[in-house]
Amino acid sequence: EAGVTQFPSHSVIEKGQTVTLRCDPISGHDNLYWYRRVMGKEIKFLLHFVKESKQDESGMPNNRFLAERTGGTYSTLKVQPAELEDSGVYFCASSPLEGYGYTFGSGTRLTVV
Amino acid sequence: QKEVEQDPGPLSVPEGAIVSLNCTYSNSAFQYFMWYRQYSRKGPELLMYTYSSGNKEDGRFTAQVDKSSKYISLFIRDSQPSDSATYLCAMRPNNAGNMLTFGGGTRLMVKP
Repeated sequence: EAGVTQFPSHSVIEKGQTVTLRCDPISGHDNLYWYRRVMGKEIKFLLHFVKESKQDESGMPNNRFLAERTGGTYSTLKVQPAELEDSGVYFCASSPLEGYGYTFGSGTRLTVV
Repeated sequence: QKEVEQDPGPLSVPEGAIVSLNCTYSNSAFQYFMWYRQYSRKGPELLMYTYSSGNKEDGRFTAQVDKSSKYISLFIRDSQPSDSATYLCAMRPNNAGNMLTFGGGTRLMVKP
């Protein structure tokens, strides 16, 4: 079984630019989550999809972040325009509809300079 | 104050030692408790999962939850160099969807 795939693995962009992160969950997993870890801080929840619907987006920091999940399959997280404080590692995770533990991807390391 | 506190370490032990990793938390609503292991440049990997109070054992790993003290522990017996990683505790209430609140992680180094 393929795991959760994220790309790119690393992205360096300039402040003000746009970056799009992609996540391919495990096939059949209806739950998809985005988390973020900024330097020196704990991993923080961003949002949760159930299939193509946003179930909870209470962790999204501001309206520069836009997440979508096309047809309940892969998801994208767009940051536009990027700011320095957006630097960190962005993790995607997925789980079955009925399940408690989810599988994380390896993350996208975003550096905004 | 953070909702979940975890000593960042690093914790350095010799191979074969018993390791104790701990988290404290402030939200009494937390009911589900998890331990994740994270190797460098990888995503967190679920190790143990416990609901409410009690102990759970899986091979060399034992998870304990003491809700009265708001304290959870992960014990690793006969530690191996391959156990060297960052260990993250995570937890959630019963009615908050699946959103997890993480501790900051403890870096463990097991020396041969």
